[in-house]
Amino acid sequence: QQQVKQSPQSLIVQKGGISIINCAYENTAFDYFPWYQQFPGKGPALLIAIRPDVSEKKEGRFTISFNKSAKQFSLHIMDSQPGDSATYFCAASEYGGSQGNLIFGKGTKLSVKP
Amino acid sequence: DTEVTQTPKHLVMGMTNKKSLKCEQHMGHRAMYWYKQKAKKPPELMFVYSYEKLSINESVPSRFSPECPNSSLLNLHLHALQPEDSALYLCASSQVTPRVLFFGSGTQLSVL
Repeated sequence: QQQVKQSPQSLIVQKGGISIINCAYENTAFDYFPWYQQFPGKGPALLIAIRPDVSEKKEGRFTISFNKSAKQFSLHIMDSQPGDSATYFCAASEYGGSQGNLIFGKGTKLSVKP
Repeated sequence: DTEVTQTPKHLVMGMTNKKSLKCEQHMGHRAMYWYKQKAKKPPELMFVYSYEKLSINESVPSRFSPECPNSSLLNLHLHALQPEDSALYLCASSQVTPRVLFFGSGTQLSVL
């Protein structure tokens, strides 16, 4: 019940295309869903996050879509660029919950081809 | 300043060595974390400090010893490590609530 399932494991997109990464969760107590972006040799950086009281959040080219009834959320990267090539982790936690309950998906390695 | 600074960036050590990893943040966060990350895997939680007190230890072997000298600093002392401990060690910090984590760039550790 603590798992966050992420797909696909890897993704290749042409420059200018749309990258879509999907995640699903089981624990209905989760109420905070961040996405982290990680470049090789660097730590994960918070990219965008959503709480389940909204169905969509957009920041620049990055959009989170959230479907509470299906317990699914996804990251869309519009006009994908080679600089977006990185590993993306979805995660879930309880916003005001105890430390240590941030559950990561297994990650998606995105490659954007020029 | 929204940065978590980790030193060193790279570390090579033998199985009999003692070394320490250091982490510093100046965001006023009172929760600090150590994570371990193997290649192509998500970060795994090791320790959590809240208000400078150890609040979570995820059954980490005693060859890893955390220390939180003050609210801005976090250390991880390493002793008698095994080759399988080679990984990227990440420090993170957050407010106690809500828990939005800010990660450092990590220390890439190789144990020979």
